[in-house]
Amino acid sequence: AQSVSQHNHHVILSEAASLELGCNYSYGGTVNLFWYVQYPGQHLQLLLKYFSGDPLVKGIKGFEAEFIKSKFSFNLRKPSVQWSDTAEYFCAVKAKGGGADGLTFGKGTHLIIQP
Amino acid sequence: ETGVTQTPRHLVMGMTNKKSLKCEQHLGHNAMYWYKQSAKKPLELMFVYSLEERVENNSVPSRFSPECPNSSHLFLHLHTLQPEDSALYLCASSLGGSSYNEQFFGPGTRLTVL
Repeated sequence: AQSVSQHNHHVILSEAASLELGCNYSYGGTVNLFWYVQYPGQHLQLLLKYFSGDPLVKGIKGFEAEFIKSKFSFNLRKPSVQWSDTAEYFCAVKAKGGGADGLTFGKGTHLIIQP
Repeated sequence: ETGVTQTPRHLVMGMTNKKSLKCEQHLGHNAMYWYKQSAKKPLELMFVYSLEERVENNSVPSRFSPECPNSSHLFLHLHTLQPEDSALYLCASSLGGSSYNEQFFGPGTRLTVL
């Protein structure tokens, strides 16, 4: 079974700072990788996903993530954060090969951006 | 509008009550999921339905009973719950049959068991 580890549970940054949230997964096979975001009072939304191809993927709102297979990592980055990026961020993994398989999530990182 | 709706949004129930959570997706998907989100724990997958058949039951206690009458609707029937079952219950849907499809989530039902 797969597992996901998010290194930082709480991160506080000032506006315009650069962001990197760590995510490592444990699984012996090929995976699909996701970052979801949950803004205050809102539902989980997909930020970006990696299935195959270019390991650097770009998502919505200026976010990007890089899949490093040798490190089993899928870190999320944004060069300059905004106050509106305050939210909970979840990394998730799904084993490839299945169809309707559930996602395995990390515990989440609570990001607070100070104006 | 997320495309996945859940009712009720909040529910308070006693341990002897029976209640049901409802999820509806308007995205034409054919797979639906129940997740549990507890404080300080990762989202936990509970059940997976694909083409209205249950394909995964993630060691969930029998006091939780899912039902999927068609590809657009999913229910979670609750009975004799425990206080530790208090959590946010999330429904999701996807276009199953492929590894390349993302899941879309509803807003959740905040359940409190007294």
